[in-house]
Amino acid sequence: KNEVEQSPQNLTAQEGEFITINCSYSVGISALHWLQQHPGGGIVSLFMLSSGKKKHGRLIATINIQEKHSSLHITASHPRDSAVYICAVRTGNQFYFGTGTSLTVIP
Amino acid sequence: DAGVIQSPRHEVTEMGQEVTLRCKPISGHNSLFWYRQTMMRGLELLIYFNNNVPIDDSGMPEDRFSAKMPNASFSTLKIQPSEPRDSAVYFCASSKGGKDEQFFGPGTRLTVL
Repeated sequence: KNEVEQSPQNLTAQEGEFITINCSYSVGISALHWLQQHPGGGIVSLFMLSSGKKKHGRLIATINIQEKHSSLHITASHPRDSAVYICAVRTGNQFYFGTGTSLTVIP
Repeated sequence: DAGVIQSPRHEVTEMGQEVTLRCKPISGHNSLFWYRQTMMRGLELLIYFNNNVPIDDSGMPEDRFSAKMPNASFSTLKIQPSEPRDSAVYFCASSKGGKDEQFFGPGTRLTVL
């Protein structure tokens, strides 16, 4: 049983397209994280949120606590956005991770 | 700031050997996390320290794994004896507080032959 489910697993988009990655979870959480893992392996924290919406540049993250669902949106996608995006939720001292969404943006 | 520093970046060892991974968190950060990433299991939290004290080690796979944080600027993750199934990338991350944004180190790629 996976506490965190992401969709889609793989996504290919043309440069400039609007992209949405979804994350559903089954546990009560104190926070949800979106991480970006570059092809070289490095991990960057994009967002940490517990309610509402956050925006950073072309990235927007939303969360609906009642529905236990979060989305990561990328506007005007660019090849440099190609990476694996990982959703993680925190409940108490436990972290549960999604398996990641592999995004490829084609020029 | 140099960010989270991990060493070594790559480690190749033989089964049965002791392996020590090192992490220097960002100065001023009070929380430190050790993660393991494999193709099969993805990212997993191994252990979490707050103010140098282990808060939750329920993710540590077995007694062969141990972690210490002797001071605010240094942590180790030790595997003794190592096994091929321990092959993975081990990440260290730190945050100002336990519930704040985490900053990840570059990872240590461990291969146990």
